[in-house]
This record gives sequence, C-alpha cells and structure tokens, in this order.
Amino acid sequence: QSALTQPPSVSGSPGQSVTISCTGTSSDVGSYNRVSWYQQPPGTAPKLMIYDVSNRPSGVPDRFSGSKSGDTASLTISGLQAEDEADYYCSSFTSSSTLVFGGGTRLTVL
Amino acid sequence: QVQLQESGPGLVKPSETLSLTCTVSGGSISSYYWSWIRQPPGKGLEWIGYIYHSGTSSYNPSLKSRVTISVDTSKNQFSLKLSSVTAADTAVYYCARVGNWGLVDWGQGTLVTVSS
Repeated sequence: QSALTQPPSVSGSPGQSVTISCTGTSSDVGSYNRVSWYQQPPGTAPKLMIYDVSNRPSGVPDRFSGSKSGDTASLTISGLQAEDEADYYCSSFTSSSTLVFGGGTRLTVL
Repeated sequence: QVQLQESGPGLVKPSETLSLTCTVSGGSISSYYWSWIRQPPGKGLEWIGYIYHSGTSSYNPSLKSRVTISVDTSKNQFSLKLSSVTAADTAVYYCARVGNWGLVDWGQGTLVTVSS
C-alpha cells in the first residue's frame, strides 16, 4: 500500500488559517469516512485531533476542523497559535482492512 | 482514556527478533482493537498492524512476512514480534488503542536500535 500524500510543509502567521491536504485513492480516503488527523510536537507521541473525517475528540479546540472531497481529505486550523507548531499526519482505513499514514506535514507558525 | 506503556529491549542485534510488550491500564484489552506504529528517527509514522482480543489481526503488507502481534487478555497486554531485523528497523515504536479506525490513545514510545 502506498502512503497518503501530504505537503512536506505549510506555514502561517498567528491568527491566520492554514489547510493541510491528504490525498489517497479510491481504495482508502475515497471509499471510507475513516480519515484521522494527528498532531505531533517534537519529541512527543502523536495526539488524535480529528477522526471520521470531521469529528473532534473531547478536549480538541474547535479551531481544528476536517473535511473530505473525493480522494482528498483536509485539515484546517483557524486562528493559528504558536502552540499549533508541530508535525501533522493523516491516516485512513483501507479496502484491505489495513491502516495507512500520510508522509506528514510540518506546520511552522511564523 | 486508557494508558499504554511499551516495554522491551532498547538494543537488538541484526538478524535477531525484536520483541515489545504494551501494557494497558485503565480499561480492558477485550474491548477494543490495539495497534503498533513505528517512527524511524527524523521520519514519518508507519503503521505496523493491529489485533483484536479474539485474535483477529491485520498487518502492513510491507512487513507482514516478519511481523506477529499477539494479545494476552489475562495480563491486559499485547505484544509485537518483528523478525530478521536490520538497521532499517531502528525506530521509536508506539502502541495505541484503535477507535473509529483512528488511533485514540498512544503510549509514550520506546526507541529500539538495531546494531551489533
């Protein structure tokens, strides 16, 4: 299985919005609403931020939102804050009953 | 929210078998799917596999021939074995709880280095 495709890096200034894309295929993102997003600050374990495309676990700020169109899912962070600087990964359930991650995107808050 | 803790050797010799255990607390291992993930130094996340308490499992096709994940309900633990390791298997290994096919709760991770 091939990794989902994410941009290597994105950046934004405090208060702005940024969007990170996650492109898969009709065998994963395009066929299942089982896309999740994770935040990983340096030196820490990943944290689930979004599940099932657009649902936030308890405690995740509503500045984080998710969506999907066709084979591409997106994570949008609005009202960017310095603490949002981290690596972000998407994952999807697949038609082979496996999970697959994206390559990761480094978010820099300018 | 359950807590997970990885344990096992931090150094494994090439061609040998890497063995790790994840201890689950704050919840029953019989209620969810459980997964292993790894992250080579400076690189991205790689899904290794998952298991249900019944023994149902699924593995990353690229690792399937070398991976075994098992569960011990009596100890509330699940384990990872990766055979014939090389330097490319050096990574931080995480265990996690699966929910809605996302990885809900994560262990802190343990670094395993493959070197002679």
